[in-house]
Amino acid sequence: GDSVTQMEGPVTLSEEACLTINCTYTATGYPSLFWYVQYPGEGLQLLLKATKADDKGSNKGFEATYRKETTSFHLEKGSVQVSDSAVYFCALRSASGTYKYIFGTGTRLKVLA
Amino acid sequence: EAGVTQFPSHSVIEKGQTVTLRCDPISGHDNLYWYRRVMGKEIKFLLHFVKESKQDESGMPNNRFLAERTGGTYSTLKVQPAELEDSGVYFCASSLGTSNSPLHFGNGTRLTVT
Repeated sequence: GDSVTQMEGPVTLSEEACLTINCTYTATGYPSLFWYVQYPGEGLQLLLKATKADDKGSNKGFEATYRKETTSFHLEKGSVQVSDSAVYFCALRSASGTYKYIFGTGTRLKVLA
Repeated sequence: EAGVTQFPSHSVIEKGQTVTLRCDPISGHDNLYWYRRVMGKEIKFLLHFVKESKQDESGMPNNRFLAERTGGTYSTLKVQPAELEDSGVYFCASSLGTSNSPLHFGNGTRLTVT
């Protein structure tokens, strides 16, 4: 079945450091890909998405590119801030069947001032 | 617009007791999903409603879990009787019916079974 694998955390960075959180997927067809973020005490929020190969999703300085050839959707940011501290979830929306969403394990990011 | 709301935010119950979680989706969202995250693991799909119908309940762990969405509005998820392994955070999400509609999540209900 479809699945998502993302790097384990926690990831601890200093402010203004570069961030990469790896995400790879297994799916039939062409799923849509998402990054969701969960800030402390809140629910998950959509951060960015890409719906077809080579699409780049971006929001709040974060970017991720849908790579069909490597089945990846790595999350990147050039300069993180303390306010980016959160748990980040990679997810796919199946292209067939009931179109349900499948999530990874989440990666906790802590940014130090 | 009001977001997805879940109640209660926390629940602590003893093994063998019953708990009912409630989710109010965004008004007009036909799709409603229940997910669960056990500590440190992935967010696992439980089931999907389209209006009042169960579209996919393949993720429901066993018959101790019962989900309903009478009238196609709010949904409840009942666990009876609760077991220790049911502890986790239960998320509800809703979306419009279009293929690329994003999921809107509630803040979750943290369930602890002791």
